[in-house]
Amino acid sequence: LAKTTQPISMDSYEGQEVNITCSHNNIATNDYITWYQQFPSQGPRFIIQGYKTKVTNEVASLFIPADRKSSTLSLPRVSLSDTAVYYCLVGREGDMRFGAGTRLTVKP
Amino acid sequence: EPEVTQTPSHQVTQMGQEVILRCVPISNHLYFYWYRQILGQKVEFLVSFYNNEISEKSEIFDDQFSVERPDGSNFTLKIRSTKLEDSAMYFCASLLNDYEQYFGPGTRLTVT
Repeated sequence: LAKTTQPISMDSYEGQEVNITCSHNNIATNDYITWYQQFPSQGPRFIIQGYKTKVTNEVASLFIPADRKSSTLSLPRVSLSDTAVYYCLVGREGDMRFGAGTRLTVKP
Repeated sequence: EPEVTQTPSHQVTQMGQEVILRCVPISNHLYFYWYRQILGQKVEFLVSFYNNEISEKSEIFDDQFSVERPDGSNFTLKIRSTKLEDSAMYFCASLLNDYEQYFGPGTRLTVT
């Protein structure tokens, strides 16, 4: 099972773009990369998922290089409400394990 | 929008007692999960369940834990003899056939 490594915390200011990178050196061929967001006292919430190259939805973009050993979640123009913990997961349906997560704090 | 529900929202129990945490996953989903989160720590995988059997389990999921899908709608987690260190938020999640897990609001378990 691929282990993930993310920065423990990041600070940003409102309106800035935030990029959070996750390392997953031993990702398997069948593994997908998924990012979740968690607010205090709530369950995690799906943000975005990808396999390779770039994926974009209404909330974020996910950049995955060709070797798939890392991925970068990009949040455009963050607001105070984006303050949360962001988790990178690598795996398949039966086994989805969270890493330590990155605590993002957005300041005014 | 469909959602995963969990009951109770908060359970207080004494050490050594059995507890059952209940979840109603989204009806057409195929995979079901339990996770726990000790206060201030990361979300920890406990077990996944597919086709009426355990698919994967972590080292945390020892003989004290069991899961059931007794009636095709509920998904339960039983802890046979609770310990103080079982105090945590327990999240249920379900997934159809892609990788977007839907999480419930959680049950806060307090063992005294």
